[in-house]
Amino acid sequence: DAGVIQSPRHEVTEMGQEVTLRCKPISGHNSLFWYRQTMMRGLELLIYFNNNVPIDDSGMPEDRFSAKMPNASFSTLKIQPSEPRDSAVYFCASSPRQGVGKLFFGSGTQLSVL
Amino acid sequence: DQQVKQNSPSLSVQEGRISILNCDYTNSMFDYFLWYKKYPAEGPTFLISISSIKDKNEDGRFTVFLNKSAKHLSLHIVPSQPGDSAVYFCAANEGAQKLVFGQGTRLTINP
Repeated sequence: DAGVIQSPRHEVTEMGQEVTLRCKPISGHNSLFWYRQTMMRGLELLIYFNNNVPIDDSGMPEDRFSAKMPNASFSTLKIQPSEPRDSAVYFCASSPRQGVGKLFFGSGTQLSVL
Repeated sequence: DQQVKQNSPSLSVQEGRISILNCDYTNSMFDYFLWYKKYPAEGPTFLISISSIKDKNEDGRFTVFLNKSAKHLSLHIVPSQPGDSAVYFCAANEGAQKLVFGQGTRLTINP
C-alpha cells in the first residue's frame, strides 16, 4: 500500500517562476483534493475532483493557480507566476468514495518562493 | 471567514494526564466532524470522527464530544502519552466530501 505520493517534497523557486506540484492518489480512490497549509489559516481546501472532474475550485486563490487531473492516477497543481506569499505546504489527499469519508493525505510539498 | 476555529495554537500536558483539545464552528449545516493528527514532515492522518446525530464517540484513549447547541466539539486523550505530541486538526463536513479544517493545535506531552 503505497499511499498518496506527492512530488517534489521540497521546492525552492524564485518569484515569477512556474511551479508544478504532482500527486498520485491511492489506486481505486475516486476523489482527490488539494489543500494548502499555512500558520494563519491551517488547512485550506483549494480544489477537489470526483472521478477526474473538478467539482469545487472555489478555494483556488486566483487565476495564477490551476489544477488538472488527466486520469485517475495523476494530478497536478500549477502556480504561474509564483509569488512569495504562495510559500506554504501543499497537500494532496484522496478518498475512496463520495459522501462523508476519511481523507488519506500525502506527505506534502514544502514550497518556498523567494 | 474561518468556519472552523481552533483558538488554542498550542497546549502542553503532562504525561498520564488528560489532554483536551477544543474546536468551534459556525456553520450549522455541518453534519460530520473529524479529528486528524499530524506529525512533522508527514501528512495529516485520520484519528476519530463523530456524526451530528451523536454527542460522543470513543475509541480507546480518544473520545470526541459534540455540543451542537454551542457549536463546539472537543477531543479528549486520556491518559496522554509522549507519542501523542503532534498537531491536531479539527475538520467538519460541508456536504459531499468537502472537509473544512481548523488552524490546528500543537499538543506537547511532557514526561
